[in-house]
Amino acid sequence: SQQGEEDPQALSIQEGENATMNCSYKTSINNLQWYRQNSGRGLVHLILIRSNEREKHSGRLRVTLDTSKKSSSLLITASRAADTASYFCATDRNRGSTLGRLYFGRGTQLTVWP
Amino acid sequence: DGGITQSPKYLFRKEGQNVTLSCEQNLNHDAMYWYRQDPGQGLRLIYYSQIVNDFQKGDIAEGYSVSREKKESFPLTVTSAQKNPTAFYLCATTAGRGNEQFFGPGTRLTVL
Repeated sequence: SQQGEEDPQALSIQEGENATMNCSYKTSINNLQWYRQNSGRGLVHLILIRSNEREKHSGRLRVTLDTSKKSSSLLITASRAADTASYFCATDRNRGSTLGRLYFGRGTQLTVWP
Repeated sequence: DGGITQSPKYLFRKEGQNVTLSCEQNLNHDAMYWYRQDPGQGLRLIYYSQIVNDFQKGDIAEGYSVSREKKESFPLTVTSAQKNPTAFYLCATTAGRGNEQFFGPGTRLTVL
């Protein structure tokens, strides 16, 4: 059972532009995490935002969380060709959840053209 | 991928064979997970283990089995009962609730 749904499924932009990906979920959460996956590789953790936080920054990444709308967004500023990857959101559910288990969405495939 | 190794990177299986995928970690994490990834499907949880000698079924456990005899190791066996095993398999660990998961590099299994 997947929790998050990323939008759009695919995003294609030019280098230097900003990329925005959205994630919606259905149940209350403890935190929401974003991961990146290069083709054929494992996932790499990017950023974690807790349910009592509204915004978080890490380098060129900005994540927002709106628990009333059950949604999150990931913004990558001044994108580079090296940002080309799939991006997944994952939620740590508030109740009825196994310790440490995350629920992943289907991901957004970002392509950044040089 | 640091701290988690998966082997082999590529695995080919004939129909009717059981195969075992290895996952080893040196992060001293208690919790370990196995995910299956198909194109356009995201990650689906197969099995997880929160402590040595204990493991639980995830959402798609049928046709798979695991063991957790050591903290460092969580091997996954894909049995002949798994009807469509061709996929990318990812192992992950976490220090506990509220923390990030660390992923291995994955094993791509193909049924011939």
